[in-house]
Amino acid sequence: GAGVSQSPRYKVAKRGQDVALRCDPISGHVSLFWYQQALGQGPEFLTYFQNEAQLDKSGLPSDRFFAERPEGSVSTLKIQRTQQEDSAVYLCASSPFSGSFNEQFFGPGTRLTVL
Amino acid sequence: DAKTTQPNSMESNEEEPVHLPCNHSTISGTDYIHWYRQLPSQGPEYVIHGLTSNVNNRMASLAIAEDRKSSTLILHRATLRDAAVYYCILNQAGTALIFGKGTTLSVSS
Repeated sequence: GAGVSQSPRYKVAKRGQDVALRCDPISGHVSLFWYQQALGQGPEFLTYFQNEAQLDKSGLPSDRFFAERPEGSVSTLKIQRTQQEDSAVYLCASSPFSGSFNEQFFGPGTRLTVL
Repeated sequence: DAKTTQPNSMESNEEEPVHLPCNHSTISGTDYIHWYRQLPSQGPEYVIHGLTSNVNNRMASLAIAEDRKSSTLILHRATLRDAAVYYCILNQAGTALIFGKGTTLSVSS
């Protein structure tokens, strides 16, 4: 079956531009996570959704970062007024349940380069 | 958050077993031990997880010390496709994964 997909796979933005990154989780998965991965580092947690509810956004680095999942399926991570330090791979992961252990399924990521 | 310690890198030859160590001396009773790996230019993928007992699946085995302060991921026969960054993660149910830098495994033919 289809896995987690993300689009675009690559995005180049000029500093100050707004960008929107899309995540299509596996159908029916309740939980959705966003991570940011800088070059040579492990992924870092940004935010977590359970269905349409954003339960944890403690990892968002600034108020320029905003995420939504309005219908409990597709999610969008928006970055306003991009800066060079926002350059990273943005990973989305979904898992089937909440409140109990479950494997997280990752997408291929979106590589954002801010010039 | 509980932390893990892994070697930065390890090397292996193809078709030989690989033992990837992980120390987690501050593990709590509700922490699961997870292993994920990340192949070049891909998102991480789940490998295995355990709580107290050793675990086996089609990809690997997980050996957990009796005091749970360390664990070892075992790849029984390394292949070139196993070259990746391996992350050992402590995680409680329903929470985000906290990745470290992991161990970069190189496999030679």
